[in-house]
Amino acid sequence: DTEVTQTPKHLVMGMTNKKSLKCEQHMGHRAMYWYKQKAKKPPELMFVYSYEKLSINESVPSRFSPECPNSSLLNLHLHALQPEDSALYLCASSRTPDRDRSGELFFGEGSRLTVL
Amino acid sequence: EDQVTQSPEALRLQEGESSSLNCSYTVSGLRGLFWYRQDPGKGPEFLFTLYSAGEEKEKERLKATLTKKESFLHITAPKPEDSATYLCAALSLVYNQGGKLIFGQGTELSVKP
Repeated sequence: DTEVTQTPKHLVMGMTNKKSLKCEQHMGHRAMYWYKQKAKKPPELMFVYSYEKLSINESVPSRFSPECPNSSLLNLHLHALQPEDSALYLCASSRTPDRDRSGELFFGEGSRLTVL
Repeated sequence: EDQVTQSPEALRLQEGESSSLNCSYTVSGLRGLFWYRQDPGKGPEFLFTLYSAGEEKEKERLKATLTKKESFLHITAPKPEDSATYLCAALSLVYNQGGKLIFGQGTELSVKP
């Protein structure tokens, strides 16, 4: 069982909708991540939160808006998405963001997003 | 430019047929090399961390090794349940930003009974 929980597992939305993806971890990890993954491709980093502050934004379009309300929760707000944004969105956490073990990520099962 | 390259892209084995997956990397400020396993429709699952050349890690039928430019994932006597995509990733620490994992494209392993 994964210790990173993502909801919803599946989401279908129109290009004018506003929706949110949610992620929760209770391992005391201080770094949380959003990744986007297309079929047959590796995960692609979108955002990194270190100690609840946004530390890395990989030039992601503003229609994706991350939020970290506390050390256990991570949200990704979606607005005016395009069909090419359809993908598996993965949340991950690591113990710390700034040490060698920050590459040991615990991933959730992902939210499968379809934009019509 | 930092880069991680995996080969082969796909590998088909018979049950019990041992083989190796390759991961070559060119990363400045490398702080670790990581292996993950990903089943279809699921998030990647962490397998191993390697920090320095010569290091080896083992878990059941899997053994990961590291040289200064490559890492190998050796699979001994694989079983059908080992079928998955194996991802290699290198950690680069970016000043004032923390760690960034650079993933390879993955090797899709299929083990037939």
